[in-house]
Amino acid sequence: DAGVTQSPTHLIKTRGQQVTLRCSPKSGHDTVSWYQQALGQGPQFIFQYYEEEERQRGNFPDRFSGHQFPNYSSELNVNALLLGDSALYLCASTWRGLAYYEQYFGPGTRLTVT
Amino acid sequence: QQPVQSPQAVILREGEDAVINCSSSKALYSVHWYRQKHGEAPVFLMILLKGGEQKGHDKISASFNEKKQQSSLYLTASQLSYSGTYFCGTESRDSWGKFQFGAGTQVVVTP
Repeated sequence: DAGVTQSPTHLIKTRGQQVTLRCSPKSGHDTVSWYQQALGQGPQFIFQYYEEEERQRGNFPDRFSGHQFPNYSSELNVNALLLGDSALYLCASTWRGLAYYEQYFGPGTRLTVT
Repeated sequence: QQPVQSPQAVILREGEDAVINCSSSKALYSVHWYRQKHGEAPVFLMILLKGGEQKGHDKISASFNEKKQQSSLYLTASQLSYSGTYFCGTESRDSWGKFQFGAGTQVVVTP
């Protein structure tokens, strides 16, 4: 059973450019969340998608947008990149049972903005 | 609002015990615990949904005091493999699905 997969692994972009990151959730998981993790910090919640809609959003500007497809995979788009957007971007998928649920993280995409 | 973790770091010898605390100012629906090793993604350890309930993962267990909005992670008889950064992730009752992570506690287990 494949876990959460993300692509690409690493990415280098120039300030002002746009980037798209991709995520495939773990089999059976229908909810996808995106996080930004700066070096030495905990993950910061960007947004969560369920049933192809954004259900929750963290304190990130509109430059950060996303999409979820019918197969539950997801994309994170960042426009007008800033140097401060350099970070590890983590995708996590969630399985929810009746009284229990788990959130699994993918390996992340390391974005460097120069 | 980001939960507060303490301590920031702890160094243990193999076999020793440690406690990591996580507290929130908001009424919580759940607390999740993760371990992240350098250069890797966070790995889910356990979730606590009810007040006072304890969960276990090998010799790692946790409790959740719903009244105080606090959770503690207990590392018992630590092993070298326990080294890493531990994060608590909280989900408040008014923002279900929106996880807030603490700054992390770095754990180093030495031989």
